[in-house]
Amino acid sequence: AQTVTQSQPEMSVQEAETVTLSCTYDTSESDYYLFWYKQPPSRQMILVIRQEAYKQQNATENRFSVNFQKAAKSFSLKISDSQLGDAAMYFCAYRTEQGGSEKLVFGKGTKLTVNP
Amino acid sequence: ETGVTQTPRHLVMGMTNKKSLKCEQHLGHNAMYWYKQSAKKPLELMFVYSLEERVENNSVPSRFSPECPNSSHLFLHLHTLQPEDSALYLCASSHLGAVQETQYFGPGTRLLVL
Repeated sequence: AQTVTQSQPEMSVQEAETVTLSCTYDTSESDYYLFWYKQPPSRQMILVIRQEAYKQQNATENRFSVNFQKAAKSFSLKISDSQLGDAAMYFCAYRTEQGGSEKLVFGKGTKLTVNP
Repeated sequence: ETGVTQTPRHLVMGMTNKKSLKCEQHLGHNAMYWYKQSAKKPLELMFVYSLEERVENNSVPSRFSPECPNSSHLFLHLHTLQPEDSALYLCASSHLGAVQETQYFGPGTRLLVL
């Protein structure tokens, strides 16, 4: 079974600085998708970025980028020029397909605090 | 994000009550999901509906009963819940088979069982 591990329960960063959130996963599949979701205090789960495993190029989305290391099964999220609005829980997720349906396996999350 | 809506946003119920959570997606998706988010635990997938047919039930107790009358609506019927069922219940939808298939989430229903 696939598992997702986020080893940092909490992280903090100064406004305008850069922070990296770690995520590792375990799978025997060769083709899969990885996601980072953000959950602010409003509790709305918002997609931040996605990565297809067959793509070697790291995904980027404005100030958000990933460092995808397929061999190491690592998928870290880098937030550049951190803003106060980036404060939230960040969840790493692995997408698998079972029985014709899509399933997301989530890590426990990292709480990011942005200090002014 | 208004693509997936959930009502009510907050719910307090006793253990003998019967209530229902509603989810509606306006994205033209063909799959819908119920997740449970408890404190200190990863999101747990409860139910998956694909093309209005339930394809996965992750050993969820029978006091939770899902219903998917069409591809846009998903319900979670609750009865005789336990205090440990208190959690945030998240609905999500996706388009199976899409090139960039991604799950989009609703804002959740915060449930408190007394």
